[in-house]
Amino acid sequence: GQNIDQPTEMTATEGAIVQINCTYQTSGFNGLFWYQQHAGEAPTFLSYNVLDGLEEKGRFSSFLSRSKGYSYLLLKELQMKDSASYLCAVRAIKAAGNKLTFGGGTRVLVKP
Amino acid sequence: DTEVTQTPKHLVMGMTNKKSLKCEQHMGHRAMYWYKQKAKKPPELMFVYSYEKLSINESVPSRFSPECPNSSLLNLHLHALQPEDSALYLCASSPGTDSGANVLTFGAGSRLTVL
Repeated sequence: GQNIDQPTEMTATEGAIVQINCTYQTSGFNGLFWYQQHAGEAPTFLSYNVLDGLEEKGRFSSFLSRSKGYSYLLLKELQMKDSASYLCAVRAIKAAGNKLTFGGGTRVLVKP
Repeated sequence: DTEVTQTPKHLVMGMTNKKSLKCEQHMGHRAMYWYKQKAKKPPELMFVYSYEKLSINESVPSRFSPECPNSSLLNLHLHALQPEDSALYLCASSPGTDSGANVLTFGAGSRLTVL
């Protein structure tokens, strides 16, 4: 099976930077995704990594190290609207096809 | 149209009822998914349809019955549910199921309460 670990909760101040770590163990790794989910809403796509390195998208960056089974999501210049859950999801190739499995999510609270 | 539309938004049903959740997308996506999400938990995969054929069933109880009438529509038929089945049911679609970004786009979900 897959094992995806991320911290349960983080608190940060508006304007600051927060780094959310995700570690995973899986066979047939085929990509790592980060999604944002506000309470009561659908998850929305933030970033995708399949090769090692950093992907930057505006205030959000995501890093992947496949050899270490490790990724992080970096949120810069935090805004109040960034208060949400951030879900790390790993895609793996299985006999039945590609399967996307989510980690438990990290609730980020941004304070003024 | 870049949305996945789910109906109904809220559903309350008794354990003997039969109801259906519906999902629709017009992005030309060929893969569609059902996920179940309990409060403060991550989405859990239930079913994957690829090109209108069921490709993954995550050992879901038979009281949940998926159906994909065409490439734009995905239904989840519910019968004889249990109170522990109360959850947010999320539908998603993606261009395919192969490699590449193949990003899942989620609908807003159907919140189900089983009495």
